[in-house]
Amino acid sequence: KAGVTQTPRYLIKTRGQQVTLSCSPISGHRSVSWYQQTPGQGLQFLFEYFSETQRNKGNFPGRFSGRQFSNSRSEMNVSTLELGDSALYLCASSLVDPGTNTEAFFGQGTRLTVV
Amino acid sequence: GQQVMQIPQYQHVQEGEDFTTYCNSSTTLSNIQWYKQRPGGHPVFLIQLVKSGEVKKQKRLTFQFGEAKKNSSLHITATQTTDVGTYFCAGPPGRKLIWGLGTSLAVNP
Repeated sequence: KAGVTQTPRYLIKTRGQQVTLSCSPISGHRSVSWYQQTPGQGLQFLFEYFSETQRNKGNFPGRFSGRQFSNSRSEMNVSTLELGDSALYLCASSLVDPGTNTEAFFGQGTRLTVV
Repeated sequence: GQQVMQIPQYQHVQEGEDFTTYCNSSTTLSNIQWYKQRPGGHPVFLIQLVKSGEVKKQKRLTFQFGEAKKNSSLHITATQTTDVGTYFCAGPPGRKLIWGLGTSLAVNP
């Protein structure tokens, strides 16, 4: 079966712009989590959606938002981009809940560069 | 807040040497997961440990979960160049996975 698909793979944006990233989870998976990965900071949890509801949120400013559609596909949006938002954004899907006994499957990520 | 610490941050070994990374949580974990990320790749699930004191093996990799369910370790016997990458532990104090910063392993052939 197809894995987790993230689009686009690479993106260059200018400060102040906004960006929308997309994630299609594995078929049947209802939980989608988003992470920001930067060198030296590891994986920083952004938020998690389950059945179209945001269940958990990390410590990121309100410029970072997301949503999940009825088909489990998810989008995250970053408004008023800052240079510090440059990072690899990873999406992970799991069958039910990444905090219980199910593994998270990651997409290839979207590499965002803000100039 | 809830934290998961991993040490060491970096490890450089000669091929054939052993390698161990340690993961310590500030809170008790219901389970712990380990992932491997190759350079330029994305994290890939390795294993999940659930029971106190649990030990699991995958070929040359040995995973342990502490008795208090607050720490874990990953040990690789006789490293190979294919083991290169960053190893992450992740614990779910609740439903939200909290990740360690990872241990980056470099292997000299």
